[in-house]
Amino acid sequence: KQEVTQIPAALSVPEGENLVLNCSFTDSAIYNLQWFRQDPGKGLTSLLLIQSSQREQTSGRLNASLDKSSGRSTLYIAASQPGDSATYLCAVPHGSGNTGKLIFGQGTTLQVKP
Amino acid sequence: NAGVTQTPKFQVLKTGQSMTLQCAQDMNHEYMSWYRQDPGMGLRLIHYSVGAGITDQGEVPNGYNVSRSTTEDFPLRLLSAAPSQTSVYFCASSADRGSGNTIYFGEGSWLTVV
Repeated sequence: KQEVTQIPAALSVPEGENLVLNCSFTDSAIYNLQWFRQDPGKGLTSLLLIQSSQREQTSGRLNASLDKSSGRSTLYIAASQPGDSATYLCAVPHGSGNTGKLIFGQGTTLQVKP
Repeated sequence: NAGVTQTPKFQVLKTGQSMTLQCAQDMNHEYMSWYRQDPGMGLRLIHYSVGAGITDQGEVPNGYNVSRSTTEDFPLRLLSAAPSQTSVYFCASSADRGSGNTIYFGEGSWLTVV
């Protein structure tokens, strides 16, 4: 059974710091991996999707990497800002394909202090 | 283009009452799903659909019914509400099986059962 784990559960950093969020999964046969952002009282917003054939994806100050063999993904946030404060979740599809059936990690809650 | 729309945003029910959480998407997505989010448990899949007329159970389906009569709509019915169903509910949609297709979430429905 696929399990997704995110460490740490919470992180507090000063503004401007570069940081890494971790996501691990137990079954390396994943179809893709997505990173989401969730603001308090809001829904999830997709940040980056890495397909199984890719090693990384970048969007602005965000860079997500994927190492299927080790069952790990990292989300790197450069030059963090207070507006980056949110909960970050990673998720992989359940089973084969991309049917919208996701297995989520429990998230890392990030606080960036001014 | 509204994306994924959920109604109501907030609802209080008495134990034993029934209600329907509405979800609609205007992106012509085939795949739709319902998740619940609970503290310490993360997001868990309740039901999903891969197209009109096709639904299946997720990880925590008990106490919930779904149907998919149109591509656009995927309502979630609580048959006889219980306090254990107090949660935040998210609807999501995605396009076909392509591995590069991201998943879009609604803003959530906060349900309290007293």
